[in-house]
Amino acid sequence: QLVLTQSPSASASLGASVKLTCTLSSGHSSYAIAWHQQQPEKGPRYLMKLNSDGSHSKGDGIPDRFSGSSSGAERYLTISSLQSEDEADYYCQTWGTYVVFGGGTKLTVL
Amino acid sequence: QVQLVQSGAEVKNPGASVKVSCKASGYTFTSYGISWVRQAPGQGFEWMAWINAYNGDTNYAQKFQGRVTMTTDSSTSTAYMELRSLTSDDTAVYYCARDGSGVWFDPWGQGTLVTVSS
Repeated sequence: QLVLTQSPSASASLGASVKLTCTLSSGHSSYAIAWHQQQPEKGPRYLMKLNSDGSHSKGDGIPDRFSGSSSGAERYLTISSLQSEDEADYYCQTWGTYVVFGGGTKLTVL
Repeated sequence: QVQLVQSGAEVKNPGASVKVSCKASGYTFTSYGISWVRQAPGQGFEWMAWINAYNGDTNYAQKFQGRVTMTTDSSTSTAYMELRSLTSDDTAVYYCARDGSGVWFDPWGQGTLVTVSS
């Protein structure tokens, strides 16, 4: 069964970097995923689509501070030079027979 | 720019139906699909279904099969999601998103709050 696993929470200091992880279930390590950001009280925003080889295509207007990488079944979202507006929920998502979402990671900027 | 604009908030009684619209602009509507996703208060995302805006092919999450219907109107570049037999568990924000032809959920609509309450 296709499942995406995310840590419920993460935190990092203003100006620092943080790496969020999305783990694909066994047997699905070749799958691409997408990362989405949801700021408090707002709708979600597409950040990027991330392939198993680490190549990624970002959405329009997504700052260079946001980047993606992959290793095996892990898909990463790295945010550098953290700003207060990066405090948000981050969700990974993929397509199998159906669309699957991870449970989301709540990022706190200290 | 590519944009999806959804219809306004709805309040429904239990047992009723709701139909949410999603109007696309800034791209060729029939070249992509549309996914519908909902988010209950304080929860994550739950995918409901996908429709091919070119030929109307659909893919429904098992949980919603038989209770949700997805349609499109290419003359107005609008997608519709109808959910029937509403219960309080269907209270959520419903989102549409462009999804297909290599594009995944880009962009999302602004969301439509559906409240089910007697």
